[in-house]
Order: sequence, then C-alpha cells, then structure tokens
Amino acid sequence: GAVVSQHPSRVICKSGTSVKIECRSLDFQATTMFWYRQFPKQSLMLMATSNEGSKATYEQGVEKDKFLINHASLTLSTLTVTSAHPEDSSFYICSARVAGAFETQYFGPGTRLLVL
Amino acid sequence: DAKTTQPPSMDCAEGRAANLPCNHSTISGNEYVYWYRQIHSQGPQYIIHGLKNNETNEMASLIITEDRKSSTLILPHATLRDTAVYYCIVGTNAGKSTFGDGTTLTVKP
Repeated sequence: GAVVSQHPSRVICKSGTSVKIECRSLDFQATTMFWYRQFPKQSLMLMATSNEGSKATYEQGVEKDKFLINHASLTLSTLTVTSAHPEDSSFYICSARVAGAFETQYFGPGTRLLVL
Repeated sequence: DAKTTQPPSMDCAEGRAANLPCNHSTISGNEYVYWYRQIHSQGPQYIIHGLKNNETNEMASLIITEDRKSSTLILPHATLRDTAVYYCIVGTNAGKSTFGDGTTLTVKP
C-alpha cells in the first residue's frame, strides 16, 4: 500500500515555542492531505483538510492562526503549532488521499507532541 | 456523512475468526464503507472498503447487508497482532467522515 511518513515522531518543546510537523507521501502524489489530533483514549478528530496549492480548510473550533498548514507540493504538507501550550500536547496524525475512484486514505505513523 | 455505531469492545481467541459489526443505518447510496484499525500509538491502517458487494483482500473480508445499513468486518484467523481499535467509517470523502470510538478488539491466546 501507499506509504506516508511523518517527522518528527516525537517532539518535546517549551511553552510558547512553535513546532513544525512534516507529512510526506513517499510513493504517490497526494492532492489532499488531512491533519488529525488524538488525545489519550479518544478517537481521531479531524483538524483540517489540506489541498495542494490552496489554503487549508479547518474544522469548526480549530484555530487556523494557531495551527498553520502548508501544502506546497503533491508530496509534502506541514503543520505548525504556533505558540504551543501544554493543552496542545497530543498525538498528531496526517493522512494522504490517493486520487481516484475510491479515495482511500493512507495514514502516517503520527507525531507525539509534548509541551512543557 | 453517515454516522456509524460499533460495540466498544470485543474479545476473540487466537486462531479464530473475529467478526466486527458496524451499523450505518443512515448511509447514502453513494457512500462507501471503510474499515481502518489503529494499533496502540500508531497511525491508523487501511484494511478494506466496499460499496455494495462483499469484498475480500489479504487482510480481511467485508460483508455488507443488502440494505447497506450494516456491515461486518471478518478477520478469518485472528492473531495477537490483530489486537487494535477498529474503526468503521462511511462516506464519499473518507477525509471528511467522522471517526467514532471504534471497537477495541483484544485477541487472547
């Protein structure tokens, strides 16, 4: 199946700093990538949909100025958590959609963010 | 997108078939049924999807009822490594569909 990578896998940062997470589709071109957040023992929550070359679409309640998304190429999307606070500590997961009839998503391994 | 209902947890003996049900009574005619699973602290893994017909791949089988209001994911010979949270999702756009709480499958020796 299609492979999606994320970097870094884990990050610890101080409160008030910004953190950038990369999501790459390694063996296919993804016109659409998605960013999810998952808190412990909870399900995935969609944060935003990222389309190559256009502005991301954010879900209700997700601050676009805090979670900056850039999808500059068909294989790379980045999520920057700006001025991170402890409540932003979470598991961030991206997925990429293979264009085609079924629009199956393939997920990255996730990035665990801890804000101290 | 249609919502789904899954039992919160299930147990299965190693080597036996695991049958995971999903109700999606409000599914629309053009919506697919997707199954993913998430092993602890990893990203979800795609398993299988279907529209109307039953589907089978190397990982699992998907049985969709004739009225499409429910489906069952079958892992024919469950192993300990199949212990995970299994998510059933329906939608035309998998990215916009809501992940429910899923079913935690525990495969026991």
